[in-house]
Amino acid sequence: TQLLEQSPQFLSIQEGENLTVYCNSSSVFSSLQWYRQEPGEGPVLLVTVVTGGEVKKLKRLTFQFGDARKDSSLHITAAQPGDTGLYLCAGARFGGGSEKLVFGKGTKLTVNP
Amino acid sequence: DAGVTQSPTHLIKTRGQQVTLRCSPKSGHDTVSWYQQALGQGPQFIFQYYEEEERQRGNFPDRFSGHQFPNYSSELNVNALWLGDSALYLCASSLVARDTEAFFGQGTRLTVV
Repeated sequence: TQLLEQSPQFLSIQEGENLTVYCNSSSVFSSLQWYRQEPGEGPVLLVTVVTGGEVKKLKRLTFQFGDARKDSSLHITAAQPGDTGLYLCAGARFGGGSEKLVFGKGTKLTVNP
Repeated sequence: DAGVTQSPTHLIKTRGQQVTLRCSPKSGHDTVSWYQQALGQGPQFIFQYYEEEERQRGNFPDRFSGHQFPNYSSELNVNALWLGDSALYLCASSLVARDTEAFFGQGTRLTVV
């Protein structure tokens, strides 16, 4: 059972377009993180959102955490070919005295020049 | 400041064999988590080590075991390899705390033939 559902799974757009990736769950997380992964590499942390309703901006990327801390979105403005990659959301769950990350399957983004 | 380093980067093993993967955490980090990422999937949590003990474990069989050393580095061992164990194995390091941020290594690509 996938606790975090990401949509869409695949996205191919032209340079300059805007896009939004969604990350949804029925579970509450203590925080939610977004990562970007290149082929053959490990995920690289983009942002962590902690507070319900929180919005964080990273240049052309805007991240939002849902009020109930169950879902999140990533919006990219004026996408560029360098944005191409696999975007993963991960929810932090606390248990057994420590946290672990639960990942979605990812959204594979291709930005064509 | 060295980030998370993993070795080897690539490995080919035969069914039934055993494998050991290694991870050195980011400087200053004391917690190491291991993830398995099958092709086209998000990373799946295997287990987490802190103070040389396993703190949390995901839904993986006992064939998967690990160890953490006093210098915080870690090993992942897999016995009796199956074809289905072929995946990218990722190590992530963090500081033991809630809402912590995990930093990933580049991964070890394991192929079982």
